[in-house]
Amino acid sequence: NAGVTQTPKFRILKIGQSMTLQCTQDMNHNYMYWYRQDPGMGLKLIYYSVGAGITDKGEVPNGYNVSRSTTEDFPLRLELAAPSQTSVYFCASSHGTAGNQPQHFGDGTRLSIL
Amino acid sequence: KNQVEQSPQSLIILEGKNCTLQCNYTVSPFSNLRWYKQDTGRGPVSLTIMTFSENTKSNGRYTATLDADTKQSSLHITASQLSDSASYICVVSDGDSGYSTLTFGKGTMLLVSP
Repeated sequence: NAGVTQTPKFRILKIGQSMTLQCTQDMNHNYMYWYRQDPGMGLKLIYYSVGAGITDKGEVPNGYNVSRSTTEDFPLRLELAAPSQTSVYFCASSHGTAGNQPQHFGDGTRLSIL
Repeated sequence: KNQVEQSPQSLIILEGKNCTLQCNYTVSPFSNLRWYKQDTGRGPVSLTIMTFSENTKSNGRYTATLDADTKQSSLHITASQLSDSASYICVVSDGDSGYSTLTFGKGTMLLVSP
């Protein structure tokens, strides 16, 4: 049981490039989330999904897009990378709503935009 | 604006000693409070979740307390071990139906020294 798996673990992008951060979970959780963690700051929610085909914006969605075609996968897309998107990105999932269920996190993708 | 404040920002203790981390919140309405442990380079892992009616909850050597009246929580670590070195994050939820907003603290960085 792998839990939440994120790939890649590290990536360096040039300004203006695009990439997709992958996230997959094998716990059959309906709810999935993308967060970013900046140095010295609390996690900020980018996007979330309550099930396949349903996504919604979080606190900091600008510059990102998501899709949820299956229960297992929830990729995060950066279209035009900017230095402000340098951060550590965490994907998480939960059985029920994040409000009353523990979230299971992946180990993150460390992204640098130069 | 919902806020979660943690103190101290960082802490160094000797192996075998006890310590207590603090969390104050101004989240309304309040649903539950959770503590996460985040090892360096890893994703957060849930330690405890406490609802309004729970005053204390334990997970091994970790004991969390909650005072909903004063909006304060603490995490007590007993007989610390080197493996306890990590960031400890306090998170407060404002609901448990539909999508709930989670407010993350910035964390307390704990270093357990031999």
